[in-house]
Order: sequence, then structure tokens, then C-alpha cells
Amino acid sequence: EVHLVESGGALVQPGGSLRLSCAASGFTFSNYAMNWVRQAPGKGLELVSAIRGSGGSTYYADSVKGRFTISRDNSQNALYLQMNSLRAEDTAVYYCAKDLGSWSGGIDYWGQGTLVTVSS
Amino acid sequence: AIQMTQSPSSLSASVGDRVTITCRASQGIRNDLGWYQQKPGKAPKLLIYDAYTLQSGVPSRFSGSASGTDFTLTISSLQPEDFATYYCLQDYNYPYTFGQGTKLEIK
Repeated sequence: EVHLVESGGALVQPGGSLRLSCAASGFTFSNYAMNWVRQAPGKGLELVSAIRGSGGSTYYADSVKGRFTISRDNSQNALYLQMNSLRAEDTAVYYCAKDLGSWSGGIDYWGQGTLVTVSS
Repeated sequence: AIQMTQSPSSLSASVGDRVTITCRASQGIRNDLGWYQQKPGKAPKLLIYDAYTLQSGVPSRFSGSASGTDFTLTISSLQPEDFATYYCLQDYNYPYTFGQGTKLEIK
């Protein structure tokens, strides 16, 4: 059974940094692309970043490019999102989401989410 | 980026009703589309992928169809547990883009 567990969400001041983690189990982690999707309070879903199974290709939304960095450790079945220069508009629940394929296959499983609040 | 226009944004229906939700893509995306159900405070759940394929464990009252750039999610007979928000997602290319969501409420 696929299991994704996010951690690292917190209240942080504007301009601060945070590192989100996602622990994966129940599938061969290195074979699948992974995604971070966020949902601002009361709003819809937005893809923030994605990384190929090998880690060789990445995608960033324009709204986070240059501030966020996605990475993965296939030996630890772990996905990360380093978030720097945080802004109020980054406030959201952040979901770790498994891709159906190695790249651009869609999303089949989601974690429970971790809340990031950016506020002074 | 490919834009996904989802309609309606909200819908009131009764248990037993048949409902349809539509997403229109701004360009061709083959059948690279999924449908998700989200309940308050929970993560989205995949219902259908590749426009037509029912995810394992999802009840057969859910179905998907496609015609060109128009995609439809149909619930054949609404059950109490189906009242939720539904999203479409195109995965033809990055960036994946979601529809705006359809909130399905009890009439």
C-alpha cells in the first residue's frame, strides 16, 4: 500500500525558510516522479514543483522559481522541498503527491498534507 | 500553460441524481486527464485517470468520457458520501494544471 507522510510545516515569518519532507513507502520510489502540490486556504490546487524519478529533471511554478528547491533521496525514499524567502502568498497546505509514471504521468496518491503559514 | 476550464463551479443535487461535471482544455491533451474528489480537510483522491480509466477501488457509478478537448465526469446515482469538491487535472505536460473545482452540495 502506498503511503506518503509529509512533515516540516510550521508558522514562519515573511522572508524565512522552511524545509518540507515526505517519507514514501509501498512502492519503488526511484521509479516514479514526485510532485509538491499546494492549496491555499479555501482555494484550489496548484502544482508547485516536480522531480523525475532519477532526480535528473525538475519543474518549478513561476511563483516559486528561484526561491524553492525540490530534491529527493532515493536511498531513503524521501522527497524534500526547501522553501526560502517565504511570502504571505505561500501560505497553504502542501501535499506530497506520487506520479503515475516516471515523468508527466499524472498523480495517483497524495499525502495528508502539511500546513505552512507565513505571517508576522 | 494549458488552461483547464471546469464547470459548473457549484452544483446542488439530491441522493440518487445523475450529475455531470465538465472540463475543457485550452489545447489538445490527448486523454491525459484525471478526476479527483476532495472532502473538507482531506487530501484529494484519484477517481479516474487517462480520461476513462477507473482507479482501483472506486465505485462504478463514477465514469469519465472525452470528446476532443472536452472531458466529463459522470456520477450515475449520487450517494451521500459523494458530496465533495471535484477537480480535473491535465497531465499532458508540465505544468500540470487543475480545473477550478466543482463543489457538489446536497439539495
